[in-house]
Amino acid sequence: EPEVTQTPSHQVTQMGQEVILRCVPISNHLYFYWYRQILGQKVEFLVSFYNNEISEKSEIFDDQFSVERPDGSNFTLKIRSTKLEDSAMYFCASSGGVPKTGELFFGEGSRLTVL
Amino acid sequence: AQTVTQSQPEMSVQEAETVTLSCTYDTSENNYYLFWYKQPPSRQMILVIRQEAYKQQNATENRFSVNFQKAAKSFSLKISDSQLGDTAMYFCAFLNNAGNMLTFGGGTRLMVKP
Repeated sequence: EPEVTQTPSHQVTQMGQEVILRCVPISNHLYFYWYRQILGQKVEFLVSFYNNEISEKSEIFDDQFSVERPDGSNFTLKIRSTKLEDSAMYFCASSGGVPKTGELFFGEGSRLTVL
Repeated sequence: AQTVTQSQPEMSVQEAETVTLSCTYDTSENNYYLFWYKQPPSRQMILVIRQEAYKQQNATENRFSVNFQKAAKSFSLKISDSQLGDTAMYFCAFLNNAGNMLTFGGGTRLMVKP
């Protein structure tokens, strides 16, 4: 069964460093998302991406965040200068051509620890 | 902006019993979609059940059913014949009409006891 895969599963970084989290969505999906979950807190929407551009973003998704689909298969989230409060689990998700009636398929997440 | 509230941070139920998880939401949209997602300890979120707001009939998926009250903006999940494998975090989620933003509630941790 096709699934969303994310790498790395866990990354530890120093504050101020750049981090890139990678996701391979399901191959025929058209909509892509990033969510984050700070330990013990709710899952928060970061950004959605469709047709090679950002479709919607939350107030969390400020200038230090960016997304890219560089090669037609990967979907990346870059954090330019990490802060302690960026420590969280980051989930990638994708959905097919009709997200309203279809479900979002989530990856297993990438745990980011900022020291 | 939409908000989703789950007022029960933790719940427990005996195996084979029935449990209901609560969810309320706030939106100004008339057409939208509601979901319940399950997040087992393995971390990956899985869709449990979905409801289109324009459908009056409550969605049912095997042992899972919802009580959708649009006027009250309430969307509860009922799990019948609870099984040990139902132990997980359950998230209620709201998808806007544009389909580009899924907003989650804070989650309810459900423990099914043998």
